[in-house]
Amino acid sequence: AQTVTQSQPEMSVQEAETVTLSCTYDTSENNYYLFWYKQPPSRQMILVIRQEAYKQQNATENRFSVNFQKAAKSFSLKISDSQLGDTAMYFCAFMNNNQGGKLIFGQGTELSVKP
Amino acid sequence: DAGVIQSPRHEVTEMGQEVTLRCKPISGHNSLFWYRQTMMRGLELLIYFNNNVPIDDSGMPEDRFSAKMPNASFSTLKIQPSEPRDSAVYFCASSKDSKGEQYFGPGTRLTVT
Repeated sequence: AQTVTQSQPEMSVQEAETVTLSCTYDTSENNYYLFWYKQPPSRQMILVIRQEAYKQQNATENRFSVNFQKAAKSFSLKISDSQLGDTAMYFCAFMNNNQGGKLIFGQGTELSVKP
Repeated sequence: DAGVIQSPRHEVTEMGQEVTLRCKPISGHNSLFWYRQTMMRGLELLIYFNNNVPIDDSGMPEDRFSAKMPNASFSTLKIQPSEPRDSAVYFCASSKDSKGEQYFGPGTRLTVT
């Protein structure tokens, strides 16, 4: 069975600084996808970034980038130039390409961006 | 595009009552997912449909829970009878296909007293 672990329940960062959120996963599969979702206080789940396991290049979306280490089964999210609107819960998620669309989520990291 | 629509946004009911949650996926999306979020268990998939057909319902907690998708633009999640431990936020999500990016609705916060 696949599992996703986020070892940092809470983190904080000063506005304009950079922060990295950790995620590790366990799987015996070789073909899968990884995601980071953001859940602000409004509770809306918003996709931040997606990574295909077969791609070596790390995904980037504006201020958000990932460090994907397939051998180590690590998938961290880096947020550059943090903004107050980045304050939210962040969830790492795994999808086995052979099991359709089932997303397996980590426990989440609550990020606070301080002015 | 209106996004995924869920109703109601909040539901408060008494133990033993029937609860029906509704979802309208994004037009053109062929896959629909129901998730539940609780403090204890986090976010977990309950069931998902592909082209209106249930594909994986292994996450449905027990027989009190049932889900239907009578057409491509509507799905329901029903709990009968409801229990206090069913209190949670229930999310519906849709994607173009089962492996595509999932877009979540705003969720329904259910409280069973």
